[in-house]
Amino acid sequence: AQSVTQPDIHITVSEGASLELRCNYSYGATPYLFWYVQSPGQGLQLLLKYFSGDTLVQGIKGFEAEFKRSQSSFNLRKPSVHWSDAAEYFCAVGAGGYNKLIFGAGTRLAVHP
Amino acid sequence: SQTIHQWPATLVQPVGSPLSLECTVEGTSNPNLYWYRQAAGRGLQLLFYSIGIDQISSEVPQNLSASRPQDRQFILSSKKLLLSDSGFYLCAWENRGGTEAFFGQGTRLTVV
Repeated sequence: AQSVTQPDIHITVSEGASLELRCNYSYGATPYLFWYVQSPGQGLQLLLKYFSGDTLVQGIKGFEAEFKRSQSSFNLRKPSVHWSDAAEYFCAVGAGGYNKLIFGAGTRLAVHP
Repeated sequence: SQTIHQWPATLVQPVGSPLSLECTVEGTSNPNLYWYRQAAGRGLQLLFYSIGIDQISSEVPQNLSASRPQDRQFILSSKKLLLSDSGFYLCAWENRGGTEAFFGQGTRLTVV
């Protein structure tokens, strides 16, 4: 069965530090992969997505993610975190028709000044 | 441009009461529509999706139902709420053949 695992429930980093959020997936075919961000009490905003081609994907707000097929991973990175990046981050995999997304449990990011 | 509206933003309802959450999309036609639920400390679970008027598919058995009376309107309902129905409900839309889902701002439902 398809699944998405985000091993880190909470992560705290200092402002200006680098960030990597982990995502591992289980999927029977080449997946569509997404990272979404959710600010408190808000809906989800797409940060970036991977369908095919270059395995390093650039997104909004300075985020990037790298698809590694051999590791079934799609980790999200940012070289320098800003206080406004504090939010919850969700990794998702396209599960088939109609873009039915399967989400990970999310990683809550806190940023210390 | 396309927009998605979801209301109400927050709702507190007693156990056993009915529920109606509404989602509408503007600026597009014949979208795929989705209802997700986010329980506390958990990821998002797909509840229902719809590919057209009166065409609803349920992903998980539950106390909820969905309807799509118009092309760009998607309603989530319950006849009698349970405590376990509490959560954050998100509506999303996608263009046919599209590769990205767009989410509404969500409804925080607390059943007391």
